[in-house]
Amino acid sequence: EAQVTQNPRYLITVTGKKLTVTCSQNMNHEYMSWYRQDPGLGLRQIYYSMNVEVTDKGDVPEGYKVSRKEKRNFPLILESPSPNQTSLYFCASAVWQGASGELFFGEGSRLTVL
Amino acid sequence: GQQVMQIPQYQHVQEGEDFTTYCNSSTTLSNIQWYKQRPGGHPVFLIQLVKSGEVKKQKRLTFQFGEAKKNSSLHITATQTTDVGTYFCAGDQGAQKLVFGQGTRLTINP
Repeated sequence: EAQVTQNPRYLITVTGKKLTVTCSQNMNHEYMSWYRQDPGLGLRQIYYSMNVEVTDKGDVPEGYKVSRKEKRNFPLILESPSPNQTSLYFCASAVWQGASGELFFGEGSRLTVL
Repeated sequence: GQQVMQIPQYQHVQEGEDFTTYCNSSTTLSNIQWYKQRPGGHPVFLIQLVKSGEVKKQKRLTFQFGEAKKNSSLHITATQTTDVGTYFCAGDQGAQKLVFGQGTRLTINP
């Protein structure tokens, strides 16, 4: 079954404690992206990757890191989480050939930073 | 940065009424996509429009892409309770930029 898998689905942590949200896709998609969703603000892009070892900043990259060492995985790293990073996070992947294709989203990871 | 504005932010209708959400981009789009997110769920792809003036239908849903490829709309005829959720547009602005609108949250009174 084609899917994007995120873990953890829910996490409560404290300010400053490094955490990683993993994302894996089994569709051999070149493109992967992270979004955060906050009430009234829609989906804002954090980072995206067009292929292995290629990553670029989205609209709200501050406080986040990513890596793309393998095609299927695109982890999101919060080196020193702060309360303003409390949010619902989505990973997505897509075929991207010249222009965007259908995005496949993971189930979401709800993060609370105390 | 470049924006895709979506209105209204919220819409409450009686079951059986029609519903429309609109997206406007500050720049010409390569394509526009529409997604639906059920309460507590993740966004799910509905459709992609590519051509100027394109109109596509999926049962009670009608999607339009403007002639200038800067605006789009989603219209639902005779809403049902299964239509509840948040509808997002996403505009491909080129240069690997896919920008989401803020979403329209649809609630329905049965």
